[in-house]
Amino acid sequence: GENVEQHPSTLSVQEGDSAVIKCTYSDSASNYFPWYKQELGKGPQLIIDIRSNVGEKKDQRIAVTLNKTAKHFSLHITETQPEDSAVYFCAASLKSGGSNYKLTFGKGTLLTVNP
Amino acid sequence: NAGVMQNPRHLVRRRGQEARLRCSPMKGHSHVYWYRQLPEEGLKFMVYLQKENIIDESGMPKERFSAEFPKEGPSILRIQQVVRGDSAAYFCASSPGQPDTQYFGPGTRLTVL
Repeated sequence: GENVEQHPSTLSVQEGDSAVIKCTYSDSASNYFPWYKQELGKGPQLIIDIRSNVGEKKDQRIAVTLNKTAKHFSLHITETQPEDSAVYFCAASLKSGGSNYKLTFGKGTLLTVNP
Repeated sequence: NAGVMQNPRHLVRRRGQEARLRCSPMKGHSHVYWYRQLPEEGLKFMVYLQKENIIDESGMPKERFSAEFPKEGPSILRIQQVVRGDSAAYFCASSPGQPDTQYFGPGTRLTVL
C-alpha cells in the first residue's frame, strides 16, 4: 500500500518568515495530494490540494509543489502569521474504482509561528 | 451550510463496553469516510460508505468494529467490547458525488478506562 513520509515533525519560525513542509510518497500511481491544517481539538481542515497533472498550485500565501519523478510534494507558507500555528498533514491517494477516496496521511508537522 | 457533525465529541467507556460514534455528513454529501488518529500519528483510513452500502472496509479491524450509513439518519461507527487500545480520536469525513475532496468533522475522542 501507499506510504507517506512527512518532514520535519516540528517547525518553528518567526512571524513573517516562510515555512516549508515536505512529503514523499511511495506509490507512483498516486495522483491526488491534499494538505490539511488541524488546530488543537478540531478536525483537519483542507487548505490546498494538487493533482498529478500540474506541478504547482497557489492560493494567496499558500502554495504546493509536486515532483512526480521524485515522488515528493511540498507545502509553502509565506509571510507566516501566529494564526498559522497548527499541525499540518499531507496526504496522498490513488484512484480506486474511479475515484480517490483512501487518503494516506503523513504523521504531521507541528508549526509554531512566534510573534 | 453546516459542516460535518460528529457526536459525542468526547466519550468515555470502560473496558468491555460498547462505543457508538455518530456522523452526519454535510448537506448534499452522500459519501462518508471514517478515520482513526492515534496520539502523535496521522489519520488512518478505516472505512468508506455510501448510503446503505459499505464500499471499502479494508482499514477496519476484523473484529469488534462495524460501520453503517443507513438510508435515513447519521452514519454510525460501532465498537464492541472496547479495549484500551481503542482509545483514539475518530474522525468522519464526507464528500459530494465526486469523492475526491473530503471535509472532516471535529472528531470524537474516545477514552477507554
